[in-house]
Amino acid sequence: KQEVTQIPAALSVPEGENLVLNCSFTDSAIYNLQWFRQDPGKGLTSLLLIQSSQREQTSGRLNASLDKSSGRSTLYIAASQPGDSATYLCAVEGGGSYIPTFGRGTSLIVHP
Amino acid sequence: NAGVTQTPKFRVLKTGQSMTLLCAQDMNHEYMYWYRQDPGMGLRLIHYSVGEGTTAKGEVPDGYNVSRLKKQNFLLGLESAAPSQTSVYFCASNLGQANTEAFFGQGTRLTVV
Repeated sequence: KQEVTQIPAALSVPEGENLVLNCSFTDSAIYNLQWFRQDPGKGLTSLLLIQSSQREQTSGRLNASLDKSSGRSTLYIAASQPGDSATYLCAVEGGGSYIPTFGRGTSLIVHP
Repeated sequence: NAGVTQTPKFRVLKTGQSMTLLCAQDMNHEYMYWYRQDPGMGLRLIHYSVGEGTTAKGEVPDGYNVSRLKKQNFLLGLESAAPSQTSVYFCASNLGQANTEAFFGQGTRLTVV
């Protein structure tokens, strides 16, 4: 059974910092990994999808990397802004299943 | 393109009442899912479907039933609501193929009193 862990559970940083969110998974035979953002009381917004053959994906100030052999993905946020404050979730599909399995998320606060 | 639509968005139930949550997708996706989200718990899978007419249990299926009579719709039923079912419910869908994205509805906030 795939298990997904996200570290840290919470993070508070001053505006302008570069930061890294971590996602680890137990079964390296993944199909893809997806990063989501969730604002309080809202739904999930897809940020990046990394396919199994890719090492990284970039969108604006976001860069997600994937290392299947070590069972890890990182989401790098450059020059953080207060508007980046949200919970970030990673979801993994793989191990013979297309069902997204989620970590518990990292709650990020960027203060001015 | 509406994506994944959930109805209702909010609901308050009394203990013992029943209700059905509706999920509709217009992307011709084979796979559909129901998750619940509780504080600090991430998203946990309740039930899922890999195609029209199929359903299967997820991680936390007790107290819920589902049906997928049409490919585009996935219904989640609570026969006798309990306070422990107070949660935010999310529906999702995907193609059931590698390297494709999962799409989520905006959620249903359910309170059982």
